Amino acid sequence: RKEVEQDPGPFNVPEGATVAFNCTYSNSASQSFFWYRQDCRKEPKLLMSVYSSGNEDGRFTAQLNRASQYISLLIRDSKLSDSATYLCVVRSGGSYIPTFGRGTSLIVHP
Amino acid sequence: ETGVTQSPTHLIKTRGQQVTLRCSSQSGHNTVSWYQQALGQGPQFIFQYYREEENGRGNFPPRFSGLQFPNYSSELNVNALELDDSALYLCASSQKQGVRTEAFFGQGTRLTVV
Repeated sequence: RKEVEQDPGPFNVPEGATVAFNCTYSNSASQSFFWYRQDCRKEPKLLMSVYSSGNEDGRFTAQLNRASQYISLLIRDSKLSDSATYLCVVRSGGSYIPTFGRGTSLIVHP
Repeated sequence: ETGVTQSPTHLIKTRGQQVTLRCSSQSGHNTVSWYQQALGQGPQFIFQYYREEENGRGNFPPRFSGLQFPNYSSELNVNALELDDSALYLCASSQKQGVRTEAFFGQGTRLTVV
């Protein structure tokens, strides 16, 4: 089992839709979690950290479920500019090395 | 902009050659990680340097080696290049002060081995 798993998609949604991505992780000692966004042929950029209580940043909501070992990202009112690959990142407490999932591709169409 | 710069941005090498990729970390960051990202895949961890010492290594052969300098910039060296080494190589810098510290990426070096 891979350390961090994501559904690669693509998720193809119309503008205005709500879309959710899940990411599962295998290491129960994982302590920090992030979502990164990567545009085609560009570097990954931090979208948001994921906190235990869940957190929201505008149209984006991230949640963590430690019991089931998954994190989620919800995007409301999708925009064309949201089209990108969303990477789930997990870091264990004993290590400062982040592990990336393979990413989930989102395509928002008019 | 993240303040992390990589050079060169693109590179074409022949199988069997050696390559050196460079990364300047963001000001104030003492940790540099290198990743290999093949097309359609997530970044795969190669190794990390913290204060000039290797601080962790992924599942890559010894022909992948690195250095970190006193100013925290870093190099990735790959010997005996193989076709499968063709990928985007990403450098990420961070400040090792807690598990919540996020990493900031450079724009990457796209290496093509022919």
